[in-house]
Amino acid sequence: QVQLVESGGGVVQPERSLRLSCAASGFIFSRYGMNWVRQAPGKGLEWVAGIWFDGSRKIYADSVKGRFTISRDDSKSTVYLQMNSLRGEDTAVYYCGRDESYGTFEYWGQGTVVTVSS
Amino acid sequence: QSALTQPPSASGSPGQSVTISCTGTSSDVGGYKYVSWYQQHPGKAPKLIIYEVTERPSGVPDRFSGSKSGNTASLTVSGLQAEDEADYYCGSFAGSSVLFGGGTKVTVL
Repeated sequence: QVQLVESGGGVVQPERSLRLSCAASGFIFSRYGMNWVRQAPGKGLEWVAGIWFDGSRKIYADSVKGRFTISRDDSKSTVYLQMNSLRGEDTAVYYCGRDESYGTFEYWGQGTVVTVSS
Repeated sequence: QSALTQPPSASGSPGQSVTISCTGTSSDVGGYKYVSWYQQHPGKAPKLIIYEVTERPSGVPDRFSGSKSGNTASLTVSGLQAEDEADYYCGSFAGSSVLFGGGTKVTVL
């Protein structure tokens, strides 16, 4: 069965960096686009970044553009989110999601918590 | 990249229907068929319940239905059940991004 497992979250000081990972299994990873979606405490969902199935295109929310980088390693069936210059407003649960078609996410991970605080 | 607009709350008694709206623009909801709806219970990951405006993933009851008119999409939950009490989010492809609505908390009275 399809499984997505995020890792790499934690407590980090403002302006520092963190890299999240999402390990996929149960499907042919190289055939799917992958995305990151976050949810701040008590708030709604916010799409963060997406990468095409072949890595040819990467798209970002304005709120993270220039600070976050999405990438993938098909040999490890893993998608990453490199987060630099972190801010308090980046505090959230970060989910990875498999893209079925143009922003449709049927499979989600359990989420990893990122807390930005001094 | 502005969020889609949803009412913050909706409610209904068991067996009744509730409809949630999701308003965007011609650059997102009105411009693409890629409108989705997600159900989220507290502490859980979101669950896809509607995709491509009207389609239901396997296993989702037909009590959940979607529609779209112009720049507004809607989710209807018919025959409300206690387990339908949750937060509901719409999502839409927007060309170079994906947008979500602010979420609607559905209460079963």
